[in-house]
Order: sequence, then structure tokens, then C-alpha cells
Amino acid sequence: EVQLLESGGGLVQPGGSLRLSCAVSGFTFSNYDINWVRQAPGKGLEWVSGISSSGSTYYADSVKGRFTISRDSSKNTLYLQMSSLRAEDTAVYYCASPRGFGYAFDYWGQGTLVTVSS
Amino acid sequence: DIQMTQSPSSLSASVGDRVTITCRASQGISTWLAWYQQKPEKAPKSLIYAASSLQSGVPSRFSGSGSGTDFTLTISSLQPEDSATYYCQQYNSYPRTFGPGTKVDIK
Repeated sequence: EVQLLESGGGLVQPGGSLRLSCAVSGFTFSNYDINWVRQAPGKGLEWVSGISSSGSTYYADSVKGRFTISRDSSKNTLYLQMSSLRAEDTAVYYCASPRGFGYAFDYWGQGTLVTVSS
Repeated sequence: DIQMTQSPSSLSASVGDRVTITCRASQGISTWLAWYQQKPEKAPKSLIYAASSLQSGVPSRFSGSGSGTDFTLTISSLQPEDSATYYCQQYNSYPRTFGPGTKVDIK
């Protein structure tokens, strides 16, 4: 069974940092792109960042220069290092991955809440 | 960046009705289009990939069509459990943009 399990969310002050993790099990983690998607309270889905099977990284303009995506294939874990956090980064953060080439986001974690507030 | 729009933003329909949601991409994306269903406090669930391919386990009343810039999600006979918000997403290129969502309520 495929599972994606996020952790690392919490309350952080504006300007602070936080690192999210997504532990993946049940499929070959490094073969496909894997992504972070967020959802602010009461809002829609926003793609945040992705890392390809070759290690190329991609970011939404709203987080470019502040967030860094990475993965550790030996641990089957995806990370999102978030810095210079703003109130507008408050959201539930999901990791999401395709099941194979040609698929979109088949597998989703349960999400982890990040709250940026003083 | 490719922008995604959806219409309507919300709708209310009766059980058994046929429901259609449209999604438009700001530039051609071939059939690199997915549809998701999201219920409150839950992670999104993939319904359709490659514009018209039904995910395993998804009821056959859901169908998708389109290519290029214009796409539709159809629910052939609305059921109470279909009350949710539906999002389209392009995965032709990065950033992997989502549409703003369509909230479907049951009358």
C-alpha cells in the first residue's frame, strides 16, 4: 500500500523557518516527480514546489527564493525547507506524487498544518 | 505560466442530475489534464488523468473529455456523496497549476 506521511508543521512567527518532511512508502520514490501542494484556510489548491526524478527543482513564484525542496532517496523522504515565512504561507501542506509516467497527482498525504503568526 | 480557469465556481443540482464542469487552459496542454475531488478536511482525491482516463475505483458516472485548451468533467447522475469541490490541474509543464475549483452542492 502506498503511503505519504507529512510531518513538521506547526506554529511559527513571521520571518521564521520550518522544515516539512514527507515519508513515502509502498513505491519507488525516486522514479517520479514529487510535489508539495498547499491550501490556505477556505481557499483552493496551490502548487508550491516539485522535484523531478533527475533532481531538477521547481517553485511557485510566491515561494521562490524562500523555500527549498529536496529529497533523500535512501530514506524515501521528501523535504520542504521554508524560510522567511509570511502570514500568507499559512496553509495545510500536502505532498503528492504520480503513480507513473503520464499520471498527475495520484498519491496524496494527509497534510500538515503550518500557521505563521505572532 | 499556464493559467487554469473553471466554470461555474459553484452549482447546486439534484440527485440524478447530469452535471458538467468546464476547465480552460491559457495555452494548449494536449491532454495533460487531471481532475480532483476534495471533501472538507480531506486530501484531494484523483478522479481523472490524461483528460479522460478514469482512476481505478472511481465510479463510472464520472467522465472527462477535451484536449488542447478546453476540458470538461461530467457527472452523469449526481449522487449525494458527490457533494464536494472539484479542481482541474494541468501537468503539461511547471508550475503545475490548479483551477480555482467548483463547489458542487446537492439540492
